[in-house]
Amino acid sequence: GQSLEQPSEVTAVEGAIVQINCTYQTSGFYGLSWYQQHDGGAPTFLSYNALDGLEETGRFSSFLSRSDSYGYLLLQELQMKDSASYFCAVRSPTDSWGKLQFGAGTQVVVTP
Amino acid sequence: DVKVTQSSRYLVKRTGEKVFLECVQDMDHENMFWYRQDPGLGLRLIYFSYDVKMKEKGDIPEGYSVSREKKERFSLILESASTNQTSMYLCASSPSPWHRGGQLSNQPQHFGDGTRLSIL
Repeated sequence: GQSLEQPSEVTAVEGAIVQINCTYQTSGFYGLSWYQQHDGGAPTFLSYNALDGLEETGRFSSFLSRSDSYGYLLLQELQMKDSASYFCAVRSPTDSWGKLQFGAGTQVVVTP
Repeated sequence: DVKVTQSSRYLVKRTGEKVFLECVQDMDHENMFWYRQDPGLGLRLIYFSYDVKMKEKGDIPEGYSVSREKKERFSLILESASTNQTSMYLCASSPSPWHRGGQLSNQPQHFGDGTRLSIL
């Protein structure tokens, strides 16, 4: 089986940096994804890490350490529009169909 | 842009009713998924389909069934609705993770806006 843990809520001010950690326990591992969901909206894909290291996409970066079963999403230069829920998700190498196991989500609250 | 459309944004039904939630995608994706989302529990997979008429149970299939008669459409059915099925339901689609060369790749899932279902 698989389980993922991430903090339930993080609050930060505009312009700050926020790091959302995700630890996973899986019987295997094929990659860590991150999704963003605004209130009332659809989850949207942000990033994917299959290998160790940092992936950068604009203000957002995602990091993976497979030996530590750990990853994080880094949000830089926070903006009000970054207020949303962020989910980490993993795929198992035993899965052939692209199924994902999602964490419970981290609500990021950005204050002025 | 991929478009995943769920037939209803809000739905109110009574216990014991048979409820149909419809989802349509316009990108010819092989995979389609149904999740329910509850506070503090994240997204939990109910059923998924990897081809027409093919389906697999997810983590919480009890009380649900699905139908995929056409590639673009994936329906979730609550056979006899109960109050504990009050939730947000999300549909998603993705291409097959298999390349023609037989290599497995990451294919992001594309989600619809969700159906907030209340069972009274």
